[in-house]
Amino acid sequence: EDKVVQSPLSLVVHEGDTVTLNCSYEVTNFRSLLWYKQEKKAPTFLFMLTSSGIEKKSGRLSSILDKKELFSILNITATQTGDSAIYLCAANTGNQFYFGTGTSLTVIP
Amino acid sequence: SAVISQKPSRDICQRGTSLTIQCQVDSQVTMMFWYRQQPGQSLTLIATANQGSEATYESGFVIDKFPISRPNLTFSTLTVSNMSPEDSSIYLCSVDDRGTADTQYFGPGTRLTVL
Repeated sequence: EDKVVQSPLSLVVHEGDTVTLNCSYEVTNFRSLLWYKQEKKAPTFLFMLTSSGIEKKSGRLSSILDKKELFSILNITATQTGDSAIYLCAANTGNQFYFGTGTSLTVIP
Repeated sequence: SAVISQKPSRDICQRGTSLTIQCQVDSQVTMMFWYRQQPGQSLTLIATANQGSEATYESGFVIDKFPISRPNLTFSTLTVSNMSPEDSSIYLCSVDDRGTADTQYFGPGTRLTVL
């Protein structure tokens, strides 16, 4: 059965902390791994990862994929209250996107 | 990326009624998808809406309950029929990125509450 598991389920940190969110996957015909940030209703796209070991970076956010161990991490440095959201990862097989249950991040001032 | 709009953004409906959600994209896209996100849950794919053919439904979802239209390459509707409180959810449409199937972009979502 195809599945994506995220950990932790929730996280509470103080502003300025660094956080690491984990995403492991087991899917058939893996094509890419995507990260989304969900505030309120709609997920917004953060990263797409297709190759192992190549870090993608956008400001304080970065992500890397390990296709051998079947996982990805999303790092957020110097967290801000605006980073509070649910972070979703999804494994793309080309036919379908399998979403994890998300990590709920709360950043306290 | 494509700009996606959904209507309505939220609604409160009575049990037994139906609601049609509209999804409009500012460019032509091959694949449009409809997801449901129940409270505290992740995204669940309802169906893939293909232009010019019947929608493809995932296990657990049927056309009678969630009829979908896809009249052209920029528009789709999802109807939630004969609603019950268990249908209370966020409904999201998404599109693939230029037909590459590499990335999905989401509309703003419709928050549905069924009383």
